[in-house]
Amino acid sequence: EAGVAQSPRYKIIEKRQSVAFWCNPISGHATLYWYQQILGQGPKLLIQFQNNGVVDDSQLPKDRFSAERLKGVDSTLKIQPAKLEDSAVYLCASSLEYREYEQYFGPGTRLTVT
Amino acid sequence: SQQGEEDPQALSIQEGENATMNCSYKTSINNLQWYRQNSGRGLVHLILIRSNEREKHSGRLRVTLDTSKKSSSLLITASRAADTASYFCATDRQYTGANSKLTFGKGITLSVRP
Repeated sequence: EAGVAQSPRYKIIEKRQSVAFWCNPISGHATLYWYQQILGQGPKLLIQFQNNGVVDDSQLPKDRFSAERLKGVDSTLKIQPAKLEDSAVYLCASSLEYREYEQYFGPGTRLTVT
Repeated sequence: SQQGEEDPQALSIQEGENATMNCSYKTSINNLQWYRQNSGRGLVHLILIRSNEREKHSGRLRVTLDTSKKSSSLLITASRAADTASYFCATDRQYTGANSKLTFGKGITLSVRP
């Protein structure tokens, strides 16, 4: 079974630029999550999708971050404009519907903002 | 805010020794999980213990849960150099009527010296 795919794996941008990350969940997984993991900390949930809809985006900085999940499969997370404090690993995870306790994580995208 | 708090923050042991890591949390939970993260990689699920369970084993892993103290411990027996990684506890608690939410602690860095 293929795992959660993410791209790119690494990205370096300057502050005020924009960036987008892509995630392809495990086939059949209705729920998709984006986490931000700052160095030395645990992952923090940014947004949770269930099919096309948003379940939780309470910790998403909506003035600069946006995410979409068209057709309930792939998802993109965008940052515009980026700030230095956005430097982190962005993890995507997926799970079956209502199985938030059983999440499968992708390898992550390491973002460096200079 | 992060629900789980692990201690110690860092642990260094000799190969063959046992490693004990602790996690405390604040609110009632459905279950508690432990994850491992190797440097530059995604999170790997290790073990889950439900709120009505007190102890669980999986291979060299033993996890305990004390809901009265809101704490959990992860024991890795006969450690190996390959166990070197960051370990996170994550609490799963009800978020909406149908959905739950996974919240991660800051993690423990385990170094196993050959």
